[in-house]
Amino acid sequence: DGGITQSPKYLFRKEGQNVTLSCEQNLNHDAMYWYRQDPGQGLRLIYYSQIVNDFQKGDIAEGYSVSREKKESFPLTVTSAQKNPTAFYLCASKFGTDPTGELFFGEGSRLTVL
Amino acid sequence: GENVEQHPSTLSVQEGDSAVIKCTYSDSASNYFPWYKQELGKRPQLIIDIRSNVGEKKDQRIAVTLNKTAKHFSLHITETQPEDSAVYFCAASGGGFQKLVFGTGTRLLVSP
Repeated sequence: DGGITQSPKYLFRKEGQNVTLSCEQNLNHDAMYWYRQDPGQGLRLIYYSQIVNDFQKGDIAEGYSVSREKKESFPLTVTSAQKNPTAFYLCASKFGTDPTGELFFGEGSRLTVL
Repeated sequence: GENVEQHPSTLSVQEGDSAVIKCTYSDSASNYFPWYKQELGKRPQLIIDIRSNVGEKKDQRIAVTLNKTAKHFSLHITETQPEDSAVYFCAASGGGFQKLVFGTGTRLLVSP
């Protein structure tokens, strides 16, 4: 069954700790994206990758890091430098590398910093 | 960079009424305008999109219109049903920035 899978669904973190969110897709999509969703602010782009071993900063990359060692995987690390990490994080992928075409989203990961 | 504004932030209608959500964009070179629907607790899903060479597109009860001169586009839902209740996001991409930029979302509530 093809799709995009995020884990964990819920995550709690203490201040000062790094945490990594997993995103895996078996759709053979080229491009992968991480978005942050906050109430009233829509979806804001953190990082995106169009090819293995390459990625670009989005609009709110500070305090985050990513890697793209495999086509199927695009993990996001929320570092202790992120000042307000509590949010809902959505991973997405799409076929092709141009901005048009359907984004397929995962079910999201909700991070809460205690 | 591209900036997308979306209005209203919340919209309440009675079942059977029409609903209209409006978005404006800043980059005149943008050429792709999708709309995503996110039901409560679920992932966003594409419901309709339009490219800049088309002025209107329909799919059953939903339609999107694009006014390139004014740089705005709208989602129209007719004969609304309770299952249309969700958050709707518009987005714009293409042009010089090559990224999809989302609006802030509209929470639509359809009351029976």
